[in-house]
Amino acid sequence: AQSVTQLGSHVSVSEGALVLLRCNYSSSVPPYLFWYVQYPNQGLQLLLKYTSAATLVKGINGFEAEFKKSETSFHLTKPSAHMSDAAEYFCAVSLASGSRLTFGEGTQLTVNP
Amino acid sequence: GAVVSQHPSWVICKSGTSVKIECRSLDFQATTMFWYRQFPKQSLMLMATSNEGSKATYEQGVEKDKFLINHASLTLSTLTVTSAHPEDSSFYICSARAPGPPLSGANVLTFGAGSRLTVL
Repeated sequence: AQSVTQLGSHVSVSEGALVLLRCNYSSSVPPYLFWYVQYPNQGLQLLLKYTSAATLVKGINGFEAEFKKSETSFHLTKPSAHMSDAAEYFCAVSLASGSRLTFGEGTQLTVNP
Repeated sequence: GAVVSQHPSWVICKSGTSVKIECRSLDFQATTMFWYRQFPKQSLMLMATSNEGSKATYEQGVEKDKFLINHASLTLSTLTVTSAHPEDSSFYICSARAPGPPLSGANVLTFGAGSRLTVL
């Protein structure tokens, strides 16, 4: 079985500040890890994915995440927040390529001017 | 890239009626589609896995007679909410997996834009 825990249901940052969204996973096998972003009343857009290649993964819109096996973490970061980054972010895990995803509870990111 | 289309985006219906939501893969064939449900301010919960040409696999606690899933072709899966009640009001999202070898673009699920159901 697999699961993810997102620490902090709400994160608020100032425009231009560092964004850090935390995700810890639990998996019985080497996991595939994903970060998705959801804007209000829309579906999910993939930001980035980890599939056992490089541990530092770069995604779209300036986001990146680092897979740390020793910490069972896959935190999402962005050096400088933009107002358009305000959205709900979901961390997800799957056990195999293209298989069902298990989502975390989500983190609502607010960016203050 | 792969595109998944959901229709309708919004639907309002009366209690007791049935509503059908369509999920289409527009530029690829999807042997497997997943249906998720999302309550306000909450995460996505997997309802069922839809496989083309076979019966859907439902998650524990999901009523298969209430949430009918049909995956009759490689590009279309439908979710029918039968005898809908206000507690069925939710945001329903489908995702599709494109067939292909590992480490290709096929190892990522593509999501539809979601369908918001409101039952009065």
